[in-house]
Amino acid sequence: EADIYQTPRYLVIGTGKKITLECSQTMGHDKMYWYQQDPGMELHLIHYSYGVNSTEKGDLSSESTVSRIRTEHFPLTLESARPSHTSQYLCASSEWGLTGTQYFGPGTRLLVL
Amino acid sequence: TQLLEQSPQFLSIQEGENLTVYCNSSSVFSSLQWYRQEPGEGPVLLVTVVTGGEVKKLKRLTFQFGDARKDSSLHITAAQPGDTGLYLCAGGDRGSQGNLIFGKGTKLSVKP
Repeated sequence: EADIYQTPRYLVIGTGKKITLECSQTMGHDKMYWYQQDPGMELHLIHYSYGVNSTEKGDLSSESTVSRIRTEHFPLTLESARPSHTSQYLCASSEWGLTGTQYFGPGTRLLVL
Repeated sequence: TQLLEQSPQFLSIQEGENLTVYCNSSSVFSSLQWYRQEPGEGPVLLVTVVTGGEVKKLKRLTFQFGDARKDSSLHITAAQPGDTGLYLCAGGDRGSQGNLIFGKGTKLSVKP
């Protein structure tokens, strides 16, 4: 069972608000990821990190930013939320190795009004 | 650009039927993962295969990695309503910074 947590699970906010989505893992994995997914649709990688102080942009351009100050923590921030940011955000982690198998958190469903 | 094509995109069957989902690419992968995702939840890992020709079984689910490590299949025997969900395949590739390449998924609905 993967130990990766996301909070909040659900968030409804107004346009222009600043939000931070939290992601923590207790597996000691160096690599962490953020994906954006519309309901029932494909995953889009928006950010990833190789380890502490490492952040990279993913395949899908995103207005969000991330930080990696601690191995276990990889928060995602939106400075000014817009309705177009409405989506599900999934955090994942993996260890270095042959398979690259990723373990996912339960996700945060964001609705921007 | 590496791509993983999943088929079919949608599948609606009756309880008790068998089904197979395919994941194909023109690229070679070092590993292949299968995930199952329920609405509003994160994907849950079902299996990882790493050797060409490898077959793994998980109760009624059988996973196969192609000999050339370019394709994979997931076969479900006697499907049950609890199997309903989005099935995602993902290929591991050392070349893409070690990130996984995800297919678009197969939405399976099993009706009682």
